[in-house]
Amino acid sequence: EDQVTQSPEALRLQEGESSSLNCSYTVSGLRGLFWYRQDPGKGPEFLFTLYSAGEEKEKERLKATLTKKESFLHITAPKPEDSATYLCAVQAYSSASKIIFGSGTRLSIRP
Amino acid sequence: DVKVTQSSRYLVKRTGEKVFLECVQDMDHENMFWYRQDPGLGLRLIYFSYDVKMKEKGDIPEGYSVSREKKERFSLILESASTNQTSMYLCASSSEVTGGQPEAFFGQGTRLTVV
Repeated sequence: EDQVTQSPEALRLQEGESSSLNCSYTVSGLRGLFWYRQDPGKGPEFLFTLYSAGEEKEKERLKATLTKKESFLHITAPKPEDSATYLCAVQAYSSASKIIFGSGTRLSIRP
Repeated sequence: DVKVTQSSRYLVKRTGEKVFLECVQDMDHENMFWYRQDPGLGLRLIYFSYDVKMKEKGDIPEGYSVSREKKERFSLILESASTNQTSMYLCASSSEVTGGQPEAFFGQGTRLTVV
């Protein structure tokens, strides 16, 4: 069964303090691994898609990496406006377009 | 830019009512999804559709049905609303085109309260 596990559940950082969020996945034939940002009361906002182990994508202070078992979202010198819930999701070739989400990491950046 | 529009941001319905949540996308996407999101449980897939009139059950389909009569529109139906269906409902769409981008794009969500 396809599965996505994110850790930690919540992370509090000081402004400028870099860290990483983890997404472990089990899937039979990865079509894509996705990262989203979600602000309270809003729908998730797409950030990145990673397709194969070794791939990296960057956007401002965020960098996503992928191995065969997990993905990391690295946050460098975060600012308070980076506070949000970050969601990881996977899609398998065998699952007829189904996208499975992890439960997310709530990130809070203190000024 | 992809736009996924949900018909309501907030809804309050009574127990036993039949409830319709509507979703429209403007990117000609093949796939459409309905999720519900609850604190501590993340996004759980209710139903998805990969073509007009085609649907697949997700992880929690009980108490829900869906309709996709046109490619751009996907409706979620609560046959007889119950208080345990109080939740945030999120619609999404994605492309199935070979070589295209598979990521899903979401609407703004509908917060449904059943009283």
